[in-house]
Amino acid sequence: AQTVTQSQPEMSVQEAETVTLSCTYDTSENNYYLFWYKQPPSRQMILVIRQEAYKQQNATENRFSVNFQKAAKSFSLKISDSQLGDTAMYFCAFMSNFNKFYFGSGTKLNVKP
Amino acid sequence: NAGVTQTPKFQVLKTGQSMTLQCAQDMNHNSMYWYRQDPGMGLRLIYYSASEGTTDKGEVPNGYNVSRLNKREFSLRLESAAPSQTSVYFCASSEGATSQYEQYFGPGTRLTVT
Repeated sequence: AQTVTQSQPEMSVQEAETVTLSCTYDTSENNYYLFWYKQPPSRQMILVIRQEAYKQQNATENRFSVNFQKAAKSFSLKISDSQLGDTAMYFCAFMSNFNKFYFGSGTKLNVKP
Repeated sequence: NAGVTQTPKFQVLKTGQSMTLQCAQDMNHNSMYWYRQDPGMGLRLIYYSASEGTTDKGEVPNGYNVSRLNKREFSLRLESAAPSQTSVYFCASSEGATSQYEQYFGPGTRLTVT
């Protein structure tokens, strides 16, 4: 069975600083996708960034980038120049070959002014 | 473009009652999903439909049934609600490989079973 683990229940960062959120996963599959989703207090789920397992290059989206270590089954999210609007729950997610999604338990990020 | 809509937004049920959560998407997506989110936990997949006419169990299907009524609509039914089903339910849709499996989520339904 696939599992996704986020070991940091809560983190804080000062505005304009950089923060890294950790995620590890367990799978026996070779081809899969990984995602980071953001859930602000409005409860709406918003895609932040995605990574295809067969791509070695780490994905980036503006201030968001990932460090994908396939052998270590690690997929961390780096947020640069943190903004107050980044305050939210962040969920790491894994999509298997069979179109099933598995989410971690989330990291609550608080950006302080 | 409404995206993914869910009805109702809130619902309170008594143990043993039944209800259907409705979900519709107007993006012509092939795949649709139902998740539940419990406090302190991430989303857990209940059922999904990779394409019209097909449904498959996810991680936590017990106590639920689904119907992919057409390409737009995917409903979730609780036949006999239990307090353990108190949760926030999210519906999502995805175009699949062509959009690199990006999911679009509805606003959620908060269900309380007393």
